Amino acid sequence: ILNVEQSPQSLHVQEGDSTNFTCSFPSSNFYALHWYRWETAKSPEALFVMTLNGDEKKKGRISATLNTKEGYSYLYIKGSQPEDSATYLCAFGSVYGGATNKLIFGTGTLLAVQP
Amino acid sequence: DVKVTQSSRYLVKRTGEKVFLECVQDMDHENMFWYRQDPGLGLRLIYFSYDVKMKEKGDIPEGYSVSREKKERFSLILESASTNQTSMYLCASRTSGGNYGYTFGSGTRLTVV
Repeated sequence: ILNVEQSPQSLHVQEGDSTNFTCSFPSSNFYALHWYRWETAKSPEALFVMTLNGDEKKKGRISATLNTKEGYSYLYIKGSQPEDSATYLCAFGSVYGGATNKLIFGTGTLLAVQP
Repeated sequence: DVKVTQSSRYLVKRTGEKVFLECVQDMDHENMFWYRQDPGLGLRLIYFSYDVKMKEKGDIPEGYSVSREKKERFSLILESASTNQTSMYLCASRTSGGNYGYTFGSGTRLTVV
């Protein structure tokens, strides 16, 4: 059974703090690594899809890096704002995921940003 | 604005009832998925479909079935609801090929009493 682990489980920071989370995934048979943001009462929203070792992606104050050889990805948020409060999910796609590229999700990191 | 729509936000059903959860997408996506989300367990894949009338079991298919008669609609069926199926159910869709993320519905919180 493939395992995707995220840490920490939850994080409480003050507005303006920068923060980062970790996603660990199998280092073999890698195809893609996804990051999603899931705000309460909304749909999970795709942030990044990363496929190449060394990839770095950025969207506003949020960025992500990927190391497929050692099986980890970091998500960084610079200058956290209350609207960043959400659960951040990572998901691993293996080469055996087929045309659907079905994903295995981690349990998420719950971020709470205090004003 | 592209959408995945789940028919109910909240649902309460009795043990033993047959339950239908509906999901419709308007993006012409080939692939559709049903997940359930439980505290501490993350999203777990129940069933997925890569084409009309095609379906495959995910990691936790027991007690569920699915139907995909039209490309845009993917239904999850609980044949005889049980209390351990109380959960948040999420539908998602994705196009084939390329490296695109999933588009999710807003979820159905099902309570079986």
